[in-house]
Amino acid sequence: EAGVAQSPRYKIIEKRQSVAFWCNPISGHATLYWYQQILGQGPKLLIQFQNNGVVDDSQLPKDRFSAERLKGVDSTLKIQPAKLEDSAVYLCASSSTGPNTEAFFGQGTRLTVV
Amino acid sequence: DAKTTQPPSMDCAEGRAANLPCNHSTISGNEYVYWYRQIHSQGPQYIIHGLKNNETNEMASLIITEDRKSSTLILPHATLRDTAVYYCIVRVREYGNKLVFGAGTILRVKS
Repeated sequence: EAGVAQSPRYKIIEKRQSVAFWCNPISGHATLYWYQQILGQGPKLLIQFQNNGVVDDSQLPKDRFSAERLKGVDSTLKIQPAKLEDSAVYLCASSSTGPNTEAFFGQGTRLTVV
Repeated sequence: DAKTTQPPSMDCAEGRAANLPCNHSTISGNEYVYWYRQIHSQGPQYIIHGLKNNETNEMASLIITEDRKSSTLILPHATLRDTAVYYCIVRVREYGNKLVFGAGTILRVKS
């Protein structure tokens, strides 16, 4: 079974630029999560989708971050404009609707804002 | 906010059992205890979960106290590749429920 795919693996941008991350979840997984992990901290949930609807985006900085999940499969997370404090690893995870609801994570995208 | 408390770091000798504690004194009756780990430069990896009984799989064992206020993850024969950050999470095991991570425990396995 293929895992959660994320791209790019690394990204360096200047502050005030925009950036987008892509996630392809495990086939058939209806729930998709985006997490932000700052160095030395545990991952923090930014947004959670169920199919193509948003379940929880309470910690998403909506003035600069946006996310979409078209057709309930792939998802993109965008930052515009980026700030220095957005430097972090952005993790995508997915889980199924069955009794085994464990979340599976991708390798993440490491963003450096300079 | 995370509902668990873990020591920030632990050391373990290679080949010995690693016992990682977790306190979750406010756990609710329908909340499970989950353990994930994160090896450097990778995403978190599911290890094991349990409700009230002890659980074992090919990776680890989970011991939950009778009052469910604390638990211990046991890696029976730690190897250098088990060096990682280990996260203890309490979560209602329902469809789509999110995982709330704390700071975790850095486990260093030394030869």
